Amino acid sequence: GAVVSQHPSRVICKSGTSVKIECRSLDFQATTMFWYRQFPKQSLMLMATSNEGSKATYEQGVEKDKFLINHASLTLSTLTVTSAHPEDSSFYICSARDWASGGSYEQYFGPGTRLTVT
Amino acid sequence: AQTVTQSQPEMSVQEAETVTLSCTYDTSENNYYLFWYKQPPSRQMILVIRQEAYKQQNATENRFSVNFQKAAKSFSLKISDSQLGDTAMYFCAFMKHLIGSSNTGKLIFGQGTTLQVKP
Repeated sequence: GAVVSQHPSRVICKSGTSVKIECRSLDFQATTMFWYRQFPKQSLMLMATSNEGSKATYEQGVEKDKFLINHASLTLSTLTVTSAHPEDSSFYICSARDWASGGSYEQYFGPGTRLTVT
Repeated sequence: AQTVTQSQPEMSVQEAETVTLSCTYDTSENNYYLFWYKQPPSRQMILVIRQEAYKQQNATENRFSVNFQKAAKSFSLKISDSQLGDTAMYFCAFMKHLIGSSNTGKLIFGQGTTLQVKP
């Protein structure tokens, strides 16, 4: 099956710094990628939909300037948490759709990135 | 707007027994997909089973089956012969149909049900 990777798997950064998380589709082209945030024992909260070559569409309540999303190629989307604060500590998950399969429902998830802001 | 509700935060089942996880949803769409995802302690999301709303037949995947009641907007998951490896958080999810729409395919998740399979 299709594989999505995320890097890094876990990261610790200091308050006020920025951190970048990469999401890659390894064996397919993903014109659409999604970024989620998940708190312990809670559901996945969609943050934004990332389309290759265009601006991301953010969900209501998600700060665009805080969470910068770039989808520069058909296999890579990045999420940059700017000026991170302890409340940004969370588990971030990306997923990707294989658009070559047309109307396929299939969405492939990355393994997630645990961000800890100290 | 679509919503998905899982009313059972936690459940447990003895190994080899059967358990049913509940899910209800609300939508005005006629064509859509429903999914059950599993998130084990590794936190990797795994697709368990899917159902197209236009199909009346309930989907099955080995030990996993669903009871899809479109009129009642209910989509429960039955796990037969539960195994220790089934211990995970299970999420019910909704997606609007893609064909002929501008839908990007985003998933709407329920709150999740933590399932513990006991030996």
